[in-house]
Amino acid sequence: ETGVTQSPTHLIKTRGQQVTLRCSSQSGHNTVSWYQQALGQGPQFIFQYYREEENGRGNFPPRFSGLQFPNYSSELNVNALELDDSALYLCASTARESSYNEQFFGPGTRLTVL
Amino acid sequence: QQQVKQSPQSLIVQKGGISIINCAYENTAFDYFPWYQQFPGKGPALLIAIRPDVSEKKEGRFTISFNKSAKQFSLHIMDSQPGDSATYFCAACGMDDKVIFGPGTSLSVIP
Repeated sequence: ETGVTQSPTHLIKTRGQQVTLRCSSQSGHNTVSWYQQALGQGPQFIFQYYREEENGRGNFPPRFSGLQFPNYSSELNVNALELDDSALYLCASTARESSYNEQFFGPGTRLTVL
Repeated sequence: QQQVKQSPQSLIVQKGGISIINCAYENTAFDYFPWYQQFPGKGPALLIAIRPDVSEKKEGRFTISFNKSAKQFSLHIMDSQPGDSATYFCAACGMDDKVIFGPGTSLSVIP
């Protein structure tokens, strides 16, 4: 069984640029959620994708967008990067139809905006 | 508004001691309460979880105590070891599988 993987591991961008982060869900999982974790804080929910459609969104502006593909992998896109977007971006996958809510997190992508 | 509150912010425990982290939640729709352990540079890893129909769950040295009426739950780490030094997050989930994290507790276990 393959766990959740994310790429790249680290990324440096400048203000105003755009970035795409990628996530491969764990085998058998059909739901991917994205979280932003600022330094020293708990992860904050960005949005969730279930069967290729957005299924819930946290308090993040529209410049944060995503996609889920037929193989359930996912992308997080952030436009017009701001300094405050510097954070660890985590994705988590789960099997929506399972009786448990257990989510498995990837190692994250560390984004630095200069 | 913080939906999941957590205390203390940091904790120092001697090796062999008991580490206790407390959490409280607001939303009664939450039905799953996981604890995550996170090491520097890594993603959170599920440690132990509980549903509100039980008052306690124990797995090895880790125990969750749950008080549904008070909307509080806690993590106890028995016989704490230096390898337990990490940041611990309590969390709450509803039917939508969205994980609401507490702000975290930095645990240091000293020899």
